[in-house]
Formats: sequence, structure tokens, C-alpha cells
Amino acid sequence: DIQMTQSPSSLSASVGDRVSITCRASQSVGIFLNWYRQKPGKAPELLIYGASSLQNGVPSRFTASGSGTEFTLTIISLQTEDFATYFCQQTYSTPPVTFGQGTRLDIK
Amino acid sequence: QVQLQQSGPGLVKPSQTLSLTCAISGDSVSSNSASWYWIRQSPSRGLEWLGRTNYRSKWFTDYAVSVRGRITINPDTSKNQVSLHLTSVTPEDTAVYYCARVEPMSRGVAAFDFWGQGTMVTVSA
Repeated sequence: DIQMTQSPSSLSASVGDRVSITCRASQSVGIFLNWYRQKPGKAPELLIYGASSLQNGVPSRFTASGSGTEFTLTIISLQTEDFATYFCQQTYSTPPVTFGQGTRLDIK
Repeated sequence: QVQLQQSGPGLVKPSQTLSLTCAISGDSVSSNSASWYWIRQSPSRGLEWLGRTNYRSKWFTDYAVSVRGRITINPDTSKNQVSLHLTSVTPEDTAVYYCARVEPMSRGVAAFDFWGQGTMVTVSA
């Protein structure tokens, strides 16, 4: 199975800050990498698919890049609703679908 | 707009069967492009894929190795829903369970674009 590792596991930031989260795959997944945001008590929601494509309705402050084994999600100018947990997920080799362990973003 | 509405008990006794249902609206369980997944989430295991079903001229179902032998996922075309049954549960099966749709997006990439609301299932006597 392809293992997904996110860093950092947690970080603190303030409204208006720019933050980046990294996701590394144990082997190449090409561009078959998606990003999700999960607010407390809610299901994950799709932000980015195909490593860099913004899902319909997702604000443009979310941007992502990468291919192969290293990927980055960047949030430009954090808003209150962005303080949540973020997951990466590969769909290159399925089944199984595999997710990163998550990055928790807290208010500083 | 696709909506997935989950139902089922939140408390299951050890050794019994966990059963959940995911009612689909805005799409068909028999869609030739979508796949219907069950995923669970716990602090110890994170987001864990359990299984999926899809229809591509016939029904296909795959299960995670971790639950194979205990899990059944059944599509119900008459009710447009998909069910999860997990037998012989233990406290380690305590988690939030989600159903979710995977649909091919542009550029040939598939993603979980719609999720159920989640069901917290506790395994306890």
C-alpha cells in the first residue's frame, strides 16, 4: 500500500497568515493526489483534486502543487473557517485508498 | 446536488453486527461512473477505507484487508442506497463511519466529492 505522510502534524497561525502543508507519498502517485478540509464534527470536504485543481465552490485562497511524491497545500490569508484539519489522499493505486494522518491547524 | 444520508444505531454490543445505511439522492447507486465507499475515522487509525461498490455493467465490490471476512457492502437499487454490515465487532471498531461518493473529476483523477454526515458508532456492552 502507498503510505502518505503529512507535515507538520499540527501548526498554529493567525487570521490573515499564509500557511503551507506538505504531503509525501511512499512512492510516486503522479498527480493522483487530493486535499480535504475537515471542520470539527463534520465530514471531510474536497478542496483540491489532481494535485492542483480547485474543486468547484472552493475559495481561491487555497492553492496546491506537486507531483510524484511531494505535494504542498497553501492557504493564502487564513480565514476563521480554515482552522480545521487537512488531509491528503492518493488515488493512484486503488484499492486501497490511503489518506495522510492529517494536519491540525489551530488559531495562535 | 448529491446528498448522502446515513442511518443506523450509534451503539453496538461486542460480537454483534454493525449495520449502517446510506441513502443516495441526486445520483444513482447504479451510476456507471461513481463508486460508493464506506470509510471510518478514529483517533488511533485515522481515516481508514473499508470497502467500495460500483456498477460497471455488473456489480463490483472490494474490501479492505483489515476487515475482509467481516464486512459486506450491498447496493440496493430499489431504494437507491448502499449498506454496510460489519460482523463480530470489538471495541476497536469504535469510530465515526462515513459513506462517500468517488467520481472521476477532470484530468482523469477521482476524488471523494460527496460525503454522508457521519455516524459515531460505539462498540460497548
